[in-house]
Amino acid sequence: TQLLEQSPQFLSIQEGENLTVYCNSSSVFSSLQWYRQEPGEGPVLLVTVVTGGEVKKLKRLTFQFGDARKDSSLHITAAQPGDTGLYLCAGGGGGSNYKLTFGKGTLLTVNP
Amino acid sequence: EPEVTQTPSHQVTQMGQEVILRCVPISNHLYFYWYRQILGQKVEFLVSFYNNEISEKSEIFDDQFSVERPDGSNFTLKIRSTKLEDSAMYFCASSEGTSYPRPYFGPGTRLLVL
Repeated sequence: TQLLEQSPQFLSIQEGENLTVYCNSSSVFSSLQWYRQEPGEGPVLLVTVVTGGEVKKLKRLTFQFGDARKDSSLHITAAQPGDTGLYLCAGGGGGSNYKLTFGKGTLLTVNP
Repeated sequence: EPEVTQTPSHQVTQMGQEVILRCVPISNHLYFYWYRQILGQKVEFLVSFYNNEISEKSEIFDDQFSVERPDGSNFTLKIRSTKLEDSAMYFCASSEGTSYPRPYFGPGTRLLVL
């Protein structure tokens, strides 16, 4: 069974601070998705990383896929209150296996 | 921007009743999925559907569950005899079917079984 562990589970910071959220597994994934989920809503896809060592930037968000494709990180620079939300990582098996395995998420609160 | 839609947004039912959750995936997508999220827990895969048949299902997806694509646009999840533990948020998702999943999720249906 593939598992994804996210850390920290909860993170509360002040506006303007930087933060990093981690997603780790003992399994290799062919792709790693990061989603953001608001209360009572569906996950919204932020980015997909597929190559070991890949780095993708989305404005103030930087996503990295580990060289061995077992881990990933999300770094937010100069966090804003609008970044508040639940950040989920989800690993894909690839090939004909399109099932995603989700982590439990990191609940980020950015205080003004 | 195209999006996945789901109806109803909320459903309350009595234990033992049948419910049908409906989804309209993004039109050019080929793979369709149902996931669920029990309150406070992680999102869990239920089933994937491709080319009018189930391509993979989880151990959660037992004989009480079924999926169907009755026409060219809708994708449904039926729970034949609901149990209390079926109470959850149910998400439909769809993806293009390239090499990597990249599914886009709908807003969800909150199912409450009493």
